[in-house]
Amino acid sequence: EAQVTQNPRYLITVTGKKLTVTCSQNMNHEYMSWYRQDPGLGLRQIYYSMNVEVTDKGDVPEGYKVSRKEKRNFPLILESPSPNQTSLYFCASSLSAGSYNEQFFGPGTRLTVL
Amino acid sequence: GENVEQHPSTLSVQEGDSAVIKCTYSDSASNYFPWYKQELGKRPQLIIDIRSNVGEKKDQRIAVTLNKTAKHFSLHITETQPEDSAVYFCAAANPRHDKIIFGKGTRLHILP
Repeated sequence: EAQVTQNPRYLITVTGKKLTVTCSQNMNHEYMSWYRQDPGLGLRQIYYSMNVEVTDKGDVPEGYKVSRKEKRNFPLILESPSPNQTSLYFCASSLSAGSYNEQFFGPGTRLTVL
Repeated sequence: GENVEQHPSTLSVQEGDSAVIKCTYSDSASNYFPWYKQELGKRPQLIIDIRSNVGEKKDQRIAVTLNKTAKHFSLHITETQPEDSAVYFCAAANPRHDKIIFGKGTRLHILP
């Protein structure tokens, strides 16, 4: 089944404790992206990747890191989480480089930073 | 920076009536405009999209119109049904930047 998976789905952590949210897709998509969703603010792009070893900042990259060592995986790293990073996070992928294709979203990761 | 404004933020319509959600964008080089639907507790899913070389696109009960001159596009849902209740997001993409900017979303309630 073609899909985007994320882990964990729910996470409660404390300020400053490094964490990684994994994202994997099995559709051989080139383009992958991370979003955060907050009430009243919609979906905001954190980072995106056009292909392996190619990543770029979205609109809200501060406090986050990403890597794209393999085509299928695009982990999101919070080196020192803070309470303002409490949010619902979505990973997404699309067929080709470029944002003008349908994006397939993962199920979401709800993160709470205390 | 680039921006997408979406209105209204909340919309309630009687079942069977039509719903219209409007978006404006700031980047005149944007050429791809998707609409995503997010049901409660679920992930966003594409329902329709339009590219800048057409002015309207329809798919059964949903349609999208684009006015490039005015830099706005709209989602139209006719004969609304309870399963249309969801949050709808518009977006605009500029291929030069490979970024996609989403609107803040519209929560649509279909009233019985």
